Amino acid sequence: NAGVTQTPKFQVLKTGQSMTLQCAQDMNHNSMYWYRQDPGMGLRLIYYSASEGTTDKGEVPNGYNVSRLNKREFSLRLESAAPSQTSVYFCASRITSATNEKLFFGSGTQLSVL
Amino acid sequence: GDSVTQMEGPVTLSEEAFLTINCTYTATGYPSLFWYVQYPGEGLQLLLKATKADDKGSNKGFEATYRKETTSFHLEKGSVQVSDSAVYFCALIKIQGAQKLVFGQGTRLTINP
Repeated sequence: NAGVTQTPKFQVLKTGQSMTLQCAQDMNHNSMYWYRQDPGMGLRLIYYSASEGTTDKGEVPNGYNVSRLNKREFSLRLESAAPSQTSVYFCASRITSATNEKLFFGSGTQLSVL
Repeated sequence: GDSVTQMEGPVTLSEEAFLTINCTYTATGYPSLFWYVQYPGEGLQLLLKATKADDKGSNKGFEATYRKETTSFHLEKGSVQVSDSAVYFCALIKIQGAQKLVFGQGTRLTINP
């Protein structure tokens, strides 16, 4: 199915381990986003990319890095995981034009850091 | 900076009750406004949107009107069903500029039969 694909769906890490969350979209969207969802705090923007080759910090970028190497893929990296990064992570992509505005979310990655 | 504030949850209603979930925003310029819904165990789905003042978004019996004078985008439904139980998120984005998509904190809605 076309859409936004996130991998993995579940991950358990030990404190200090690193990992990369992958996100890919096949809809030729320009903008892509990474959010984390925590109970009582809603969705908070970690990083976003308005177009291929550009990235910008969101509300909570500390402890994360991102990479937008091509239009399809936008990865999120945790260099040294901490228990505070236990969360559900959502990737999203968006296309906008004078006549159209669409946003799609991936199904999420549940990450636990022990 | 830009922000979205939703009414505190959780909200619990009986089936066929009238629903209102309040949403207000702070933004410079003219944002587009959205309501997203997240059903248990799933990702977020677009419920409805409005891109300019006085626009009304509607879908699945839900409605919301973009009110620039009160900076609000309240979600309403005349008769809720058990299947409407979910978490609802209000969000904004500005088409120009940084294109950050900003969400409210979410409101958990439970409908009892």
